[in-house]
Amino acid sequence: DTGVSQNPRHKITKRGQNVTFRCDPISEHNRLYWYRQTLGQGPEFLTYFQNEAQLEKSRLLSDRFSAERPKGSFSTLEIQRTEQGDSAMYLCASSLVEDTQYFGPGTRLTVL
Amino acid sequence: DQQVKQNSPSLSVQEGRISILNCDYTNSMFDYFLWYKKYPAEGPTFLISISSIKDKNEDGRFTVFLNKSAKHLSLHIVPSQPGDSAVYFCAADLTGNQFYFGTGTSLTVIP
Repeated sequence: DTGVSQNPRHKITKRGQNVTFRCDPISEHNRLYWYRQTLGQGPEFLTYFQNEAQLEKSRLLSDRFSAERPKGSFSTLEIQRTEQGDSAMYLCASSLVEDTQYFGPGTRLTVL
Repeated sequence: DQQVKQNSPSLSVQEGRISILNCDYTNSMFDYFLWYKKYPAEGPTFLISISSIKDKNEDGRFTVFLNKSAKHLSLHIVPSQPGDSAVYFCAADLTGNQFYFGTGTSLTVIP
């Protein structure tokens, strides 16, 4: 399968814990995006990378959130000191520059 | 501030009939529009797109129409099939860097 993959698919954590998600994009895609989706809403943009450079961050991305793409391939999204409001589906997408974004299956985070 | 709106949260259509899903946007600078389909527990799957220089794009059973003056986008599915039952999101692109999504319309195609 050469699509976008995300791990883990589900994560349950206690409030205050740190969590990290991983996204592996389609191999030739140089852009990688993170979105968050809550119930009844569409995906909301968080941040994106072009190769290893993080070029844009949404105001939704508080200082507890950090994303990296160290070698321009896979990316990680870390949430520190999780809060119940962080419970959501975290979606990763990849694309060639300014082309259609292809989404992974998402990581569903539940913060107890 | 919701720049892309899907005002119908749900739609039910008989198999074989036409499904019409609507989307409105507020920012006239959007220049690229897309429709995604989402099944439960999966990420959104790209369906069809349209550039702002066009007013129609067709791909098999799916046609997207763009009315720039009305800032309105619609997706037509004909004939509708039970496998089309999913949540449909429209998205708009401003800078090529991020997509703005609507809240989705849940389509049910009744056999």
